[in-house]
Amino acid sequence: EPEVTQTPSHQVTQMGQEVILRCVPISNHLYFYWYRQILGQKVEFLVSFYNNEISEKSEIFDDQFSVERPDGSNFTLKIRSTKLEDSAMYFCASRTRGVTYEQYFGPGTRLTVT
Amino acid sequence: SQQGEEDPQALSIQEGENATMNCSYKTSINNLQWYRQNSGRGLVHLILIRSNEREKHSGRLRVTLDTSKKSSSLLITASRAADTASYFCATDVLKGAQKLVFGQGTRLTINP
Repeated sequence: EPEVTQTPSHQVTQMGQEVILRCVPISNHLYFYWYRQILGQKVEFLVSFYNNEISEKSEIFDDQFSVERPDGSNFTLKIRSTKLEDSAMYFCASRTRGVTYEQYFGPGTRLTVT
Repeated sequence: SQQGEEDPQALSIQEGENATMNCSYKTSINNLQWYRQNSGRGLVHLILIRSNEREKHSGRLRVTLDTSKKSSSLLITASRAADTASYFCATDVLKGAQKLVFGQGTRLTINP
């Protein structure tokens, strides 16, 4: 069964450093998402991406964040200058066209900012 | 506004018993989905129920949706130790990119 994959599974970085989290969505999917979950809290929407552009973003997704689909298969989330409060689990998700299709989530990248 | 508020926040039952978790939401939705998350792991999709459906079954799972009350319930029958996890409901709204809005989740513990 096709699945969303994410790398790395765990990333440790120092405050102020740039990180890139990578995702490979399911191949025939058209909508891509990033969510994050701070430890012990609920999953929060960050950004959605469709047709090579951001379709919606949350208040969390400020100028420090960017997304890219550089080669038609990978979908990346970049944080330019990490803060301590960026420590969280980051999930990538994708879905196919339509209004009733489920979002498939990757296993997540645990980001620890020290 | 908050969407997908689950209750209870934590539930502990004996293996073999049924577990019921509830979810309430505030705005009109396309679908409501339930996900499971084992501690520190990814989100596993369990079941999706459309806004025009009232009940759906998948194996030991039964989901109901009451759009008039803006609420849903997830029933796990004949629980097993492996069902121990956090369960989240997630709603997607009628417009936009259909982002999912998650609740705080119910932490379910199945005691052997």
